[in-house]
Amino acid sequence: DIQLTQSPSFLSASVGDRVTITCRASQDISNYLAWYQQKPGKAPNLLICAASILQSGVPSRFSGSGSGTEFALTISSLQPEDFATYYCQQLGAYPLWTFGQGTKVEIK
Amino acid sequence: EVQLVESGGGLVQPGGSLRLSCAASGFSFSTYWMAWVRQAPGKGLEWVASIKEAGSETYYVDSVKGRFTIFRDDAKNSLYLQMNSLRAEDTAVYFCARGTWLQSKLYFDYWGQGTLVPVSS
Repeated sequence: DIQLTQSPSFLSASVGDRVTITCRASQDISNYLAWYQQKPGKAPNLLICAASILQSGVPSRFSGSGSGTEFALTISSLQPEDFATYYCQQLGAYPLWTFGQGTKVEIK
Repeated sequence: EVQLVESGGGLVQPGGSLRLSCAASGFSFSTYWMAWVRQAPGKGLEWVASIKEAGSETYYVDSVKGRFTIFRDDAKNSLYLQMNSLRAEDTAVYFCARGTWLQSKLYFDYWGQGTLVPVSS
């Protein structure tokens, strides 16, 4: 099974900060990685597919990078609405999917 | 507008059964993969099961194999999850999600609001 490890698990940051969350896969998954944002009590929202392709409607301050086993989600200038939990998801083992454990971004 | 609305959650005793439903609208349901993803209280996301168009293929996470069954009724634009032999560790919010092919892989692009299934005596 492919495991995903996100770091950090918790991040405290201020509005305007540049924030980077990393996701490491236990084996090569090419670019078969997605990032989701989830706010409390809400369903996850797909932000990025194929490691770096921004979904329609997602602000350009979000970006994704990486391939193989190392990936990153960067928020260039954190906004109040970005405080949420972020999950990576691998699709390399299709049709089996797994998620990272999540990274909670809170206000400093 | 794409909408997914789950129902059927509620308190169930260990060893019991429950059927979840997901009513879909705003898209051609029969042409999409669908999935169930769950989230235990205060925990992360876990993919549970997926079903191909027309129900021709189904896939499950190991922990639910033999206990859960995903199926669909395309005539009713509905997805279901039959859950048997429920355990305390199945306690979670269950989300219905639509699978969409993007860049040659299947991503979950729309999600329902979730339905809570507490398993407890």
